Amino acid sequence: DAGITQSPRHKVTETGTPVTLRCHQTENHRYMYWYRQDPGHGLRLIHYSYGVKDTDKGEVSDGYSVSRSKTEDFLLTLESATSSQTSVYFCAISEMGPSGNTIYFGEGSWLTVV
Amino acid sequence: AQSVTQLDSQVPVFEEAPVELRCNYSSSVSVYLFWYVQYPNQGLQLLLKYLSGSTLVKGINGFEAEFNKSQTSFHLRKPSVHISDTAEYFCAVSEADAGNMLTFGGGTRLMVKP
Repeated sequence: DAGITQSPRHKVTETGTPVTLRCHQTENHRYMYWYRQDPGHGLRLIHYSYGVKDTDKGEVSDGYSVSRSKTEDFLLTLESATSSQTSVYFCAISEMGPSGNTIYFGEGSWLTVV
Repeated sequence: AQSVTQLDSQVPVFEEAPVELRCNYSSSVSVYLFWYVQYPNQGLQLLLKYLSGSTLVKGINGFEAEFNKSQTSFHLRKPSVHISDTAEYFCAVSEADAGNMLTFGGGTRLMVKP
């Protein structure tokens, strides 16, 4: 258990509304990530953070923004949700080790845009 | 940039039979390799990882994988599967000098039949 909590776990929202997903970690990890999972695509990186107020884009960042004002919280915002953003969203952290880093995932947030 | 190919999208197998899930990657630098398992409606759980050292890596639930640098492969094996192994399995790679970024394969759905 890497101490990652995602909220909400399930959400249904309407097209055009803003949505914010929250990722909370308890172990002071520097790197945090947001991925989305879609059938046939595995997981694709949306945005990541390498420290407070330090974020960067991933492979599929269009339509998403992030913020990290505290080490423990990483927020993903869909400014105006579209049906193509219906997906499962996973937060992750990177745990530093002597041989390399290992990425651990939260339980996921199921988002449906209708 | 690295990429990961999981050669089989679905693998049906009978209970107690052996199984191999194939994973090939491409990268121009040294890599770290991971297998994650996702049970229905759950998050991703780390199954095993190769960071350095022995190329044969043992993970949880009786799974193992072998890193083959010349073949750029990291196939996952289990000598005897159980019904409870039914899940989706994801291979992922990160580059050793950028060890905080994971690239995933598309996933392989293992279906164990009685």
